[in-house]
Amino acid sequence: DAGVTQSPTHLIKTRGQQVTLRCSPKSGHDTVSWYQQALGQGPQFIFQYYEEEERQRGNFPDRFSGHQFPNYSSELNVNALLLGDSALYLCASSPTGGLAGGHGTDTQYFGPGTRLTVL
Amino acid sequence: LAKTTQPISMDSYEGQEVNITCSHNNIATNDYITWYQQFPSQGPRFIIQGYKTKVTNEVASLFIPADRKSSTLSLPRVSLSDTAVYYCLVGVYYNQGGKLIFGQGTELSVKP
Repeated sequence: DAGVTQSPTHLIKTRGQQVTLRCSPKSGHDTVSWYQQALGQGPQFIFQYYEEEERQRGNFPDRFSGHQFPNYSSELNVNALLLGDSALYLCASSPTGGLAGGHGTDTQYFGPGTRLTVL
Repeated sequence: LAKTTQPISMDSYEGQEVNITCSHNNIATNDYITWYQQFPSQGPRFIIQGYKTKVTNEVASLFIPADRKSSTLSLPRVSLSDTAVYYCLVGVYYNQGGKLIFGQGTELSVKP
């Protein structure tokens, strides 16, 4: 059973360019979240997709956008890249919509990330 | 949302038991405590989760005192491969709308 996969592994762009990162969730998972992790920091939540819609968003500008496809895979798009966008971008999937009630927390499974360097 | 405080770094030697304590003074009644492990250039990996008292799995133990204002992740007999960053998270996933809130984590270095 494949876990969460992300592509590409590494990417180098220049300021002002646009980038698209891709994520395939773990089999059976329908919810995808994206995180940005700067060097030496913990991951920061960007947004989450469920049923092909953005359900919640972190404190990131509109330059960051995303999409979820019917097969639950997802894309993260970043426009007008800035030097500060250089980071490891992580995709995480989980098996429920997250609002099913119950108790506890639904474990999120992370992919290996895409290392984006903006020059 | 409950804020967590944990040591920035810790050193240990192979074969020792490592205990990483996390403070979360304003934890809410419904909050669970979750620990993730992250190796360099990899995504975080779920280790253990608990609500109160003690939880144990094949990887670690989690000790939570009665007041729940802190928790301790215990790694028995660490090896070099346990060198990683360990994150303590507090919150109820579904009430947060699905986002995990990470702090800076504790960088554990295991030496031979």
